[in-house]
Parts: sequence; C-alpha cells; structure tokens
Amino acid sequence: ILNVEQSPQSLHVQEGDSTNFTCSFPSSNFYALHWYRWETAKSPEALFVMTLNGDEKKKGRISATLNTKEGYSYLYIKGSQPEDSATYLCASKSGGSYIPTFGRGTSLIVHP
Amino acid sequence: NAGVTQTPKFRVLKTGQSMTLLCAQDMNHEYMYWYRQDPGMGLRLIHYSVGEGTTAKGEVPDGYNVSRLKKQNFLLGLESAAPSQTSVYFCASGTGSTEAFFGQGTRLTVV
Repeated sequence: ILNVEQSPQSLHVQEGDSTNFTCSFPSSNFYALHWYRWETAKSPEALFVMTLNGDEKKKGRISATLNTKEGYSYLYIKGSQPEDSATYLCASKSGGSYIPTFGRGTSLIVHP
Repeated sequence: NAGVTQTPKFRVLKTGQSMTLLCAQDMNHEYMYWYRQDPGMGLRLIHYSVGEGTTAKGEVPDGYNVSRLKKQNFLLGLESAAPSQTSVYFCASGTGSTEAFFGQGTRLTVV
C-alpha cells in the first residue's frame, strides 16, 4: 500500500482568501495524480487528472501543479467562496499500479 | 446517463447478519473498486477488480468478499456483519488512464 499524504488536515479561511493544499505521493513508477472535490453528503467528483511532470491545470479559480520527481502536487484556490467548502482529496497511481490510492483529504471551510 | 449506481442507499443490520451491496456501472469500465469511508480515515480500499471474473484484495479486505461475474456489476458481501463494519461504502469505476467515477454511497449501520 502506497502512502499518499495530504496537508493540512483541515483549513478555515475567510471569503476572499486564497489558499493552497499539498499532496505528497511515492514518486517511483508514477502514472497519474488525481484531485477530487467531495461535498458533504455527496460523492467525490474529479477536478483534475495530471500525468506529466510540470503539469499545471486550471478550472475557474482552482488550479493544480504537479512535481513527479519529488512526489508532490499543490492545489490552489484563488479568492475562496463559501461554495468552495468541501473536502479535497488527492489520489495517486504509482508503483506500477493503476489502482488509485487516496490521501485522507483536506477539509476546507470558507466563512462568509 | 446513470454512471455508477449503488444499492441500497441505507441499511441497518444486526451483528451476525449478512448482506450484499450491489454496484452497477454503465460506462464499460474495466476497473471497479469498493472503498469504505470512516471519520478521519479518508477512503480505504476494500477490494477491487481489473476485469470481469477477476478480484483482488485492497487495504482492508477482512470480513468482506466480492464478485465480478459481469463486467458492469461488482458485488460486496458481508457474511457476518460486525459493528466495526459500520461505515459509508463507496463503489467506483474507471479505466487505467481515467479518474474514478463514484456511486452515491451506502450508509451501513451494524448494531
């Protein structure tokens, strides 16, 4: 079982703040890194699929970067809004396995 | 487009009872997964399948069995439920190159 670590575990910010989270994963035999958004009482939904070192993806105010050589990815949210409140999960496919291993997530709460 | 459908959505079992959770996907995905979600633990992989007729153990397989007789269905069985199996169960499907697509979850309580 590969260790995928996310930090921080939880984060409280004010509306309008920008924030970022970290996902670290095993860098050997890397295949893909996924970011998911998981709202309370719903199912996780994919935000980004990242495969190449140096990848940068953007969707509206949310963006992500990937460093496969050192085994980390950052997720950024610019100008946080209350509707951004959710748990953000990352999942790694590494070590020759196509099975996603999930981190424990970062819980973001944006206060109006 | 149904995507991934789990049944049932909720269930209460008594200790020692058995049950089967059904997962169905209509996206022709080869890979299917069962995860459990517990507070502070994220998603932990119970069992997975990389194709029809194949299954493999994940991180927390004890107390569970699975079957993948048809490509579109992945069944999770609890032979003798225990309170430690109280959890929210998520099924997901995907391919080697795509993200996972999740069902809506099954909330199971074992009393």
